[in-house]
Amino acid sequence: QLQLQESGPGLEKPSQTLSLTCTVSGGSISSDTYYWSWIRQPAGKGLEWIGRIYTTGSTIYNPSLKSRVTISLDTSKNQFSLKLSSVTAADTAVYYCAREGTGVGGMDVWGQGTTVIVSS
Amino acid sequence: DIQMTQSPSTLSASVGDRVTITCRASQRTSSWLAWYQQKPGKAPKLLIYKASSLESGVPSRFSGSGSGTEFTLTISSLQPDDFATYFCQHYNRYFVAFGQGTKVEVK
Repeated sequence: QLQLQESGPGLEKPSQTLSLTCTVSGGSISSDTYYWSWIRQPAGKGLEWIGRIYTTGSTIYNPSLKSRVTISLDTSKNQFSLKLSSVTAADTAVYYCAREGTGVGGMDVWGQGTTVIVSS
Repeated sequence: DIQMTQSPSTLSASVGDRVTITCRASQRTSSWLAWYQQKPGKAPKLLIYKASSLESGVPSRFSGSGSGTEFTLTISSLQPDDFATYFCQHYNRYFVAFGQGTKVEVK
């Protein structure tokens, strides 16, 4: 059964670059029937889509974050990664990675989430 | 960009009640609409995709309907395990947007 696991520092200083990795197990990240997505959720608030990457390496980002976001793929490690630059306290959130079907859609597999706090 | 608005924000209900949550899109979205359930401290769980298709393993008391700009999630008979927050999500090849969420609480 496919599983996703986020990893990365739980604390970042303001103005630094947040870096997270999602490791995919039980399946291949090279499948052409899925996107690989990042979503975040500030404490007590709703879900915000950050962006997604396809097996070809093509990416789509949320326009509100596009200038600060980079999502990349490492097929040799079966991982995909998120970099968010120039972070502020507003970027404090639980960050999730998820698998999203390219056909009928829907994010059917999620990681457990990792909390990132931006503070000096 | 499309914006998704859910109503109500909070819904108080009892076990056995029929519950309906509405999601409205700021533009036509065809049927690219999903619904998720989220419990405290947990990742969201996919319930419905393509507006009305039930995800494998999800109880049949959950159903989705709608197209264009208005969509609904219905729980036919609320069970104790269903008290949670529900999110709608529009998706297409170029964009994803979530509704703000509806919390279903005990009446």
